[in-house]
Amino acid sequence: DGGITQSPKYLFRKEGQNVTLSCEQNLNHDAMYWYRQDPGQGLRLIYYSQIVNDFQKGDIAEGYSVSREKKESFPLTVTSAQKNPTAFYLCASSTWTGQELDTQYFGPGTRLTVL
Amino acid sequence: RKEVEQDPGPFNVPEGATVAFNCTYSNSASQSFFWYRQDCRKEPKLLMSVYSSGNEDGRFTAQLNRASQYISLLIRDSKLSDSATYLCVVILYNFNKFYFGSGTKLNVKP
Repeated sequence: DGGITQSPKYLFRKEGQNVTLSCEQNLNHDAMYWYRQDPGQGLRLIYYSQIVNDFQKGDIAEGYSVSREKKESFPLTVTSAQKNPTAFYLCASSTWTGQELDTQYFGPGTRLTVL
Repeated sequence: RKEVEQDPGPFNVPEGATVAFNCTYSNSASQSFFWYRQDCRKEPKLLMSVYSSGNEDGRFTAQLNRASQYISLLIRDSKLSDSATYLCVVILYNFNKFYFGSGTKLNVKP
């Protein structure tokens, strides 16, 4: 079955700790994305990557970091610099032809709570 | 001004009703449009693309009005299982960006 997996599903973190959220896809998609969703609000883009070894900041990148060493994987690190990290984190992927983006497909999400 | 705006609702309708949502977008260069459905505490899932000529998928009809810069979603014969938040999504190819609306919440009641 092709799809996007995220782990863990739930994550608890103490203040001051860095945590890394995993995102893996086997859809052979070039582009991958990280979003954050707060209760009752829409999705906000944190980072995105259209090709391996390249990524761009989204609208709320401060306090986050990413890497894209493999096409299938796009892990997100939530650093201690992120002031309000408790949220639902969604990873997505899409095809990218170099000119056009296609529909995004989402993983099941990671719910991060800072204690 | 937000790139994509939606009425947050909630829309409370009885089973069997017809309900319609609109979504307005601000950038006339927007080129692709989609509706997603998001259940509580779950990820968004693609419901349907929106084509210029309008398109239908069972009880769901999507339309695009480029002149007025909005897309719409019509749900006929609402089911309890249609209760969810519906997100509209706009792609701007020039900026390689997806823009998500904040969603419209639908509650279908028995």
